Amino acid sequence: EVQLLESGGGLVQPGGSLRLSCAASGFTFSSFAMSWVRQTPGKGLEWVSVITSRGGKTFYADSVRGRFTISRDNSENTLSLQMNSLTADDTAIYYCAKGADWTAQSYFDHWGQGSLVTVSS
Amino acid sequence: DIQMTQSPSTLSASVGDRVTITCRVSESINRWLAWYQQKPGKAPKLLIYKASSLESGVPSRFSGSGSGTEFTLTISSLQPDDFATYYCQQYDSYSPRTFGLGTKVEIK
Repeated sequence: EVQLLESGGGLVQPGGSLRLSCAASGFTFSSFAMSWVRQTPGKGLEWVSVITSRGGKTFYADSVRGRFTISRDNSENTLSLQMNSLTADDTAIYYCAKGADWTAQSYFDHWGQGSLVTVSS
Repeated sequence: DIQMTQSPSTLSASVGDRVTITCRVSESINRWLAWYQQKPGKAPKLLIYKASSLESGVPSRFSGSGSGTEFTLTISSLQPDDFATYYCQQYDSYSPRTFGLGTKVEIK
């Protein structure tokens, strides 16, 4: 059974940093692209970033490019998202999502339970 | 970015009804479209990919159709477990993946 377990969310001040992690199990992690998707009541679902299966390519939404960095450790089956220069607009539930294949062009066939990030002073 | 317009935003229906949700896309995405179901407090769940392919384990009352810029999700006979919010999502090329704003299916 595919399982994706996010951690690292919490309350952070504007301008601060936070690192999210996603522990994956139940599938061959190194064979699939992985993404972060966030959700807010106001903006709905917003794709944030994707990394291909071996980490060779990464892509970002314009709203986070230059501030967020996606990475993966295929030896530890872990996906990460380093978030810097956070603003109130980054407040959301962040989901780790598994791609259906190794490429960056894929839908999401499994999602984690989500991790809440709140940016507030 | 590719824009997604879902309609209606809210739909009131009864158990047994046939329900159709539409997703219009700002430019052609061939058939690179997925549909998800989300219940309160839960993560989205994949229902349909490549416009009309049913994800394993998803009941056959769900179906998808369309190509290019117009797509539909149909529930042939609405069941109590189907009251939820539904989202479309395009995954064309390397353009940012975008989602529709969702359609909430409520009990009539």
